[in-house]
Amino acid sequence: DQQVKQNSPSLSVQEGRISILNCDYTNSMFDYFLWYKKYPAEGPTFLISISSIKDKNEDGRFTVFLNKSAKHLSLHIVPSQPGDSAVYFCAARDSGNTPLVFGKGTRLSVIA
Amino acid sequence: GAGVSQSPSNKVTEKGKDVELRCDPISGHTALYWYRQSLGQGLEFLIYFQGNSAPDKSGLPSDRFSAERTGGSVSTLTIQRTQQEDSAVYLCASSSGFVTNTIYFGEGSWLTVV
Repeated sequence: DQQVKQNSPSLSVQEGRISILNCDYTNSMFDYFLWYKKYPAEGPTFLISISSIKDKNEDGRFTVFLNKSAKHLSLHIVPSQPGDSAVYFCAARDSGNTPLVFGKGTRLSVIA
Repeated sequence: GAGVSQSPSNKVTEKGKDVELRCDPISGHTALYWYRQSLGQGLEFLIYFQGNSAPDKSGLPSDRFSAERTGGSVSTLTIQRTQQEDSAVYLCASSSGFVTNTIYFGEGSWLTVV
């Protein structure tokens, strides 16, 4: 049973436009959410996070939105750049002693 | 070290052989995690260590998998009698404390069982 779902395996966006990556979760106990970015042959790197007490967190070109009632979060990248092409993983955890739960990832391709 | 270091970076092994994968976490990080990513799959949690103890081993796929951590630092993931379905990238991560939400990954060990 997947607790964190990324239903779009891939997304293609033109350079300069907005990229929107979506993530849904089923566990209502999750209270912290993270996005990781992974380039080929490298380990995932932390990108941005959001606590359940917030509905938005912004860091430069990256913004994460959280809709708790819908159990949905999204990552917005604007403007998208070719270097943003990577696999993006959504992750979540609860406040207990449990490790991060990851989604299957969305492969973003930013076309110049 | 500056980052999480994993070895070997690539390993091709014959079905039935044992393999050992090593992880050297960021210096001072007390929590260490093993995940794996099979083709087309997300990051599957295997096991974590807080210090040298592994409170939860339920993520290990079978009893052929084991892991240990000594001295609160280096960890070894051992897969006995490897099967083709064990082929995956095995990712190690560490964090400064388990309640810390950001974990830092190594580059992974690519295992291919032929």
